[in-house]
Amino acid sequence: AQTVTQSQPEMSVQEAETVTLSCTYDTSENNYYLFWYKQPPSRQMILVIRQEAYKQQNATENRFSVNFQKAAKSFSLKISDSQLGDTAMYFCAFMLRSGNTPLVFGKGTRLSVIA
Amino acid sequence: EPEVTQTPSHQVTQMGQEVILRCVPISNHLYFYWYRQILGQKVEFLVSFYNNEISEKSEIFDDQFSVERPDGSNFTLKIRSTKLEDSAMYFCASSERREYTGELFFGEGSRLTVL
Repeated sequence: AQTVTQSQPEMSVQEAETVTLSCTYDTSENNYYLFWYKQPPSRQMILVIRQEAYKQQNATENRFSVNFQKAAKSFSLKISDSQLGDTAMYFCAFMLRSGNTPLVFGKGTRLSVIA
Repeated sequence: EPEVTQTPSHQVTQMGQEVILRCVPISNHLYFYWYRQILGQKVEFLVSFYNNEISEKSEIFDDQFSVERPDGSNFTLKIRSTKLEDSAMYFCASSERREYTGELFFGEGSRLTVL
């Protein structure tokens, strides 16, 4: 069974600063996806960034980038130039590439961006 | 931009009562999901649904739970006889099948409180 662990329940960062959210996972499989989802207060979860495990290059989406360390089973999210709108719950998630397998989520990290 | 909508946003019910949570997935999506999050815990997979039948379900999804797509647009989750431990936020999600990318589109959630 796959597990996802987010060890930081809450974090805060000053506006315009950089913050890194940690995520580790456990699997015996080799082909999978990793995701970061963002859930702003009272809003739906939206996909922030996705990484395919077979790709060595770290995914980047504007101010969001990941540090994917496959051997260490680590998948951290870096948010650069933090903005007030980045305040949200961030969930790390895992999905096997084969078949219609469900997303496995971590517990989430509540990020507060402070003006 | 199309989005997944859920109703009600919050429902309070007495233990033993039946509850139906409703979802309208994105119209061209073919896969539908229910997840739940008990306060302070992980987002957990309940069930996936494709081609008018359950494609996968978790251990949580016991005989008290059922899903239905009654009219081609709504996707419902029914809990026949609610228990205190069913209190949680329930998230509906949908995804395209054409290219399996793992991206799910979530609704804002329905908060269920069982007294």
